[in-house]
Amino acid sequence: GQNIDQPTEMTATEGAIVQINCTYQTSGFNGLFWYQQHAGEAPTFLSYNVLDGLEEKGRFSSFLSRSKGYSYLLLKELQMKDSASYLCAALDSNYQLIWGAGTKLIIKP
Amino acid sequence: ETGVTQTPRHLVMGMTNKKSLKCEQHLGHNAMYWYKQSAKKPLELMFVYNFKEQTENNSVPSRFSPECPNSSHLFLHLHTLQPEDSALYLCASSQDPTGEAGELFFGEGSRLTVL
Repeated sequence: GQNIDQPTEMTATEGAIVQINCTYQTSGFNGLFWYQQHAGEAPTFLSYNVLDGLEEKGRFSSFLSRSKGYSYLLLKELQMKDSASYLCAALDSNYQLIWGAGTKLIIKP
Repeated sequence: ETGVTQTPRHLVMGMTNKKSLKCEQHLGHNAMYWYKQSAKKPLELMFVYNFKEQTENNSVPSRFSPECPNSSHLFLHLHTLQPEDSALYLCASSQDPTGEAGELFFGEGSRLTVL
């Protein structure tokens, strides 16, 4: 079956760095998405990786290893507003998105 | 007008009621989606419409009935729901369902409570 695994919850300190991991098992692979969802709000797009390596966008970076079925989202210089759920989703060979349950990130002062 | 708008934001209904959720997108996208989001569970894809044609129906019970009158509007008609259907229902749109262009733009969601 197809599956996405990510931690349920993580806690980090304001100003620090946190890495949220995601492992995936899909029938074929056409890329991996990260979305951010604040409580009571819509998920919003953060990144898309289809090639191996690190993509950097300001304080956020996303990494992909296709051979390992592994991705991570790296958040630097954490701010209180980064408290949210982070959703990992892989696009399979039929261009269906397979979603993880999300990682709730709690930022403490 | 913002990208994807959903109404109502909150809905409480009894098991015998009939109600509808509405979604409107102002992005000129060709694909629209209904997702169900339950606490601590992955997003569940319910329906996909591509150029107004339904292309996915992920074994959704018939008490959920989608309607897509044009590429900008999507409805989810609800009748004789069960308490386990209580969840956040998210509408989304994308330029097309493949690759990076498949980036989804979500509405704020309709929080449904079935009594």
